[in-house]
Amino acid sequence: AQSVTQLDSHVSVSEGTPVLLRCNYSSSYSPSLFWYVQHPNKGLQLLLKYTSAATLVKGINGFEAEFKKSETSFHLTKPSAHMSDAAEYFCVVTLNTNAGKSTFGDGTTLTVKP
Amino acid sequence: KAGVTQTPRYLIKTRGQQVTLSCSPISGHRSVSWYQQTPGQGLQFLFEYFSETQRNKGNFPGRFSGRQFSNSRSEMNVSTLELGDSALYLCASSLAGFQETQYFGPGTRLLVL
Repeated sequence: AQSVTQLDSHVSVSEGTPVLLRCNYSSSYSPSLFWYVQHPNKGLQLLLKYTSAATLVKGINGFEAEFKKSETSFHLTKPSAHMSDAAEYFCVVTLNTNAGKSTFGDGTTLTVKP
Repeated sequence: KAGVTQTPRYLIKTRGQQVTLSCSPISGHRSVSWYQQTPGQGLQFLFEYFSETQRNKGNFPGRFSGRQFSNSRSEMNVSTLELGDSALYLCASSLAGFQETQYFGPGTRLLVL
C-alpha cells in the first residue's frame, strides 16, 4: 500500500523568492515519486521524477526535488519564483511494479505575488 | 509526436443518461489510465488499461467502465449519470506503466444537470 501527503494546501510567495512545496509519502516497497503541475483548465505536466537513481532530481523550469528516505519526503523547491509558476502541484507515488498504480496527493496551490 | 487527445472537451448531460469519453494516447504508448478530478475529492484513479486489458482499478462503482482497443485508444463509459459525476476526467498514457512518466490529456469536463 502507499499514500502521499502534501502538507500545505496553499502556498503563497512573492516573485523572486524561494518556493518550497512539501510532500511526505509512505510505501511498502521502493517507490517512484513524481511532481506534476497543472495550470488552470489544463492537463497535468510532469515536472520531475525520482526512480531510485540520484536522490536530487532536477526538473523543468528550474524546479528540483530531493528524495530523503529517512524522512520519507520528496519536497519540491525552486530558488526564485516566477509569476508563471502559479498553478496547482501534485506529488505522486507509485510502486515499482508493473501492477503498481499511482496515488496522487491532494495538491498544493501555489500563488505568486508580484 | 502528437500528445494525448481527449474528446469531447466539454459535455453537458442530465441525470440518468450515459456518456462515453474517448482518449487517444501518444503513439507507441500501451498504458492508458483514467482519473476523475473534482474540487472536493481531488484526483482519483479510475482504472488503467494495458494491451486491451484492465490492469488496475480504483474504488468507483460499476457504473464506471472502460475499454481499450488494439490501437491503444481507450474509452470510458459512465452509465446512469448522477450529479456527483460532474468532474474533469483526465486520461494519461505511458509506455508501459505507472513507474514511467504519464502524459496527460487536457481532459473532458462533464457537467451533469
